[in-house]
Amino acid sequence: GDSVTQMEGPVTLSEEAFLTINCTYTATGYPSLFWYVQYPGEGLQLLLKATKADDKGSNKGFEATYRKETTSFHLEKGSVQVSDSAVYFCALNSRGGADGLTFGKGTHLIIQP
Amino acid sequence: EPEVTQTPSHQVTQMGQEVILRCVPISNHLYFYWYRQILGQKVEFLVSFYNNEISEKSEIFDDQFSVERPDGSNFTLKIRSTKLEDSAMYFCASSPQGTGNNQPQHFGDGTRLSIL
Repeated sequence: GDSVTQMEGPVTLSEEAFLTINCTYTATGYPSLFWYVQYPGEGLQLLLKATKADDKGSNKGFEATYRKETTSFHLEKGSVQVSDSAVYFCALNSRGGADGLTFGKGTHLIIQP
Repeated sequence: EPEVTQTPSHQVTQMGQEVILRCVPISNHLYFYWYRQILGQKVEFLVSFYNNEISEKSEIFDDQFSVERPDGSNFTLKIRSTKLEDSAMYFCASSPQGTGNNQPQHFGDGTRLSIL
């Protein structure tokens, strides 16, 4: 079945550091890929998405490129801020329709001033 | 910006009791979903709902669970005869179309269910 693997957290960085959160997946067909973010005390918010190979999703300075050859969708940001501290979830949908998303376990990101 | 709202934010229930979790999806959305997240574990899909019937359900969604859209705005998850292991955060989500059309799902803030 479908699965998503994310790097274990917490990930602790200093402000303005470069961020990479790794995400790899196993899926049938050609999945759509998503990154969701959960700020403390809030629900899941869509951060970015990519729907086909080599697509790059971007939002709020974050980027992720759909790499079919390595089945990866790593999240990157060039210069993180304290306000980026949150839990980040990689997710996929492989069959379309009204199917549910398959999530990774989430990566807790802590940015220190 | 319209959002998915869930009530209550925290529900405490005795083991064996029934509980109903409530959600108001975004008004023009057609697809509705429930997920759960047991503490420290990944977010897991439970069920999707479209056109007044279940579209897909996971292995977790057994006879203990049911969903309903009792009126034009609410979407509920009922858990009968609750067990300790039902303690989790439950998220509702909605999308304007199914995710096969690459429309993202919009999530509520969740209901934390604690079974005593």
